[in-house]
Amino acid sequence: NAGVTQTPKFQVLKTGQSMTLQCAQDMNHEYMSWYRQDPGMGLRLIHYSVGAGITDQGEVPNGYNVSRSTTEDFPLRLLSAAPSQTSVYFCASSYSASGRGEQYFGPGTRLTVT
Amino acid sequence: DQQVKQNSPSLSVQEGRISILNCDYTNSMFDYFLWYKKYPAEGPTFLISISSIKDKNEDGRFTVFLNKSAKHLSLHIVPSQPGDSAVYFCAASGAGGTSYGKLTFGQGTILTVHP
Repeated sequence: NAGVTQTPKFQVLKTGQSMTLQCAQDMNHEYMSWYRQDPGMGLRLIHYSVGAGITDQGEVPNGYNVSRSTTEDFPLRLLSAAPSQTSVYFCASSYSASGRGEQYFGPGTRLTVT
Repeated sequence: DQQVKQNSPSLSVQEGRISILNCDYTNSMFDYFLWYKKYPAEGPTFLISISSIKDKNEDGRFTVFLNKSAKHLSLHIVPSQPGDSAVYFCAASGAGGTSYGKLTFGQGTILTVHP
């Protein structure tokens, strides 16, 4: 049981490049979400999903796309990277479809956009 | 607009003493609160939670207190241990509607427990 896994661990992009951050969980959780952590600002919700085929926006969705074709995977796509997207990205999942239970976080992806 | 605030960026305590981490919130629709602990280069891990129908929840050395009228919650760690040194995040969630499942986090407090 690997829990929540994220790849890559580190990534450097140039402005304008696109990429996909991968997230997978093997706990059969319905609820998955993406957060970014910036210094002095805690974690902010980007997008979330309450089940396969269902996604919705969080607090800071601009510049990011998500899809949820399976229960296990919830990739985050950066369409055209900007320096403001330099951050640490965390994926999380929860057994509760409401997301109100304990959320399990992955180890994070540290992204730098130059 | 920071709806969940942790006004102390850092806290330093001696091993064996009590650590008290504080959190304030402004949104009266929040009805479920959680504390997460985070070590460097790792994701946050769940510590303890409390529903708004309670004013206290205890789990071993960790106790969370909720004062709804003051919109304030605190995490008490007794006794503190060096392994508790980490960043602690307070988070809040609302009931249903557009708040469904969304967590709002505070900025975090760095706890250092000295041997």
